[in-house]
Amino acid sequence: DGGITQSPKYLFRKEGQNVTLSCEQNLNHDAMYWYRQDPGQGLRLIYYSQIVNDFQKGDIAEGYSVSREKKESFPLTVTSAQKNPTAFYLCASSPNRESEAFFGQGTRLTVV
Amino acid sequence: ELKVEQNPLFLSMQEGKNYTIYCNYSTTSDRLYWYRQDPGKSLESLFVLLSNGAVKQEGRLMASLDTKARLSTLHITAAVHDLSATYFCAVDTRNNDMRFGAGTRLTVKP
Repeated sequence: DGGITQSPKYLFRKEGQNVTLSCEQNLNHDAMYWYRQDPGQGLRLIYYSQIVNDFQKGDIAEGYSVSREKKESFPLTVTSAQKNPTAFYLCASSPNRESEAFFGQGTRLTVV
Repeated sequence: ELKVEQNPLFLSMQEGKNYTIYCNYSTTSDRLYWYRQDPGKSLESLFVLLSNGAVKQEGRLMASLDTKARLSTLHITAAVHDLSATYFCAVDTRNNDMRFGAGTRLTVKP
């Protein structure tokens, strides 16, 4: 089945650690996105990529890094420089601007 | 910087009533999307509006876009409990960088 898969569903991080959130899609979409959602809040754009080997910072990129080495994969690393990383992270992909984005089921990251 | 504002942020309505959610955005765009999110879940696409004057309807929900006013509306007709959720609008600038409003949390009461 075609879709977008995020893993893990829940992730616990100790302070000072880097963690990587996985996002994989088999929809052959060019554009991929990472968003952060805090409780009761909207989605804030972290990074986005329109094509392989290219990505742009969103509104809250500080403390995060991404790579886009393959079309189907867009992993997000939450670095120790991100001071308040506890949040719900959503990955999305889209074939083009004329279509809606498809979202993964999210990763809930908690700092312990 | 693109800003997307939704109002109201919270909406409590009775079953059978009508209401409208508004989405204003600050820069030129001809691409606007509406999504629904249930508690603890991911987002589900509702509508894609691609041009000025676009109107789309699905069941009790109807969305419209006025690019000149930089305004989209999501109209709810004869609300039912199953419509309780958070509704987001999102705007895509020409950079393909989709940005979201804060969401409208809708509660439909019997």
